[in-house]
Amino acid sequence: DGGITQSPKYLFRKEGQNVTLSCEQNLNHDAMYWYRQDPGQGLRLIYYSQIVNDFQKGDIAEGYSVSREKKESFPLTVTSAQKNPTAFYLCASSIAVNSNQPQHFGDGTRLSIL
Amino acid sequence: GDSVTQMEGPVTLSEEAFLTINCTYTATGYPSLFWYVQYPGEGLQLLLKATKADDKGSNKGFEATYRKETTSFHLEKGSVQVSDSAVYFCALSDGGANAGKSTFGDGTTLTVKP
Repeated sequence: DGGITQSPKYLFRKEGQNVTLSCEQNLNHDAMYWYRQDPGQGLRLIYYSQIVNDFQKGDIAEGYSVSREKKESFPLTVTSAQKNPTAFYLCASSIAVNSNQPQHFGDGTRLSIL
Repeated sequence: GDSVTQMEGPVTLSEEAFLTINCTYTATGYPSLFWYVQYPGEGLQLLLKATKADDKGSNKGFEATYRKETTSFHLEKGSVQVSDSAVYFCALSDGGANAGKSTFGDGTTLTVKP
């Protein structure tokens, strides 16, 4: 079955540590996205990528970094500069640039501070 | 810029009650409109969509009609079940200027009691 796989499901970060969240898709989608979701709140866009080797900052990019070396993969690094990283992180993809198609989501990674 | 405003929650209903969750939007172009559902600890799943004015999206007993004149896309279900308890997100994607990015509402939590 085609879909988006996020790993790990749960992740713990120590002070001063960088951690990387994995996102892989086998839907052959060009566009990929990372969102942050805090309890009782909506989704906030961190970064998005329209094509391999290109990505753009979203609304809350500070303290995060991404790469898009392969079409299938869009890992997110939460750096030590992100002072409040505890949240639920969702990865999504959509079929193409300039498309009105829906996004497909993974099951998320919950990040907590030790 | 684009925006989506959802009815504030939480919403609590008894089983077999009628459900309406209001959603209005602001967009510069001619967006596609979506409703997503999120069950606890999971990512978002597309529930239904509509791509042009007067279109009705429907799925699993849920319906929503794209009303351009009132810029609305209200979600309705005639008889809710306990299994419908989840968070519901209204969203839009206007393709062109925002290149496939979606704008999400803040979500409405629905609890259905037996």
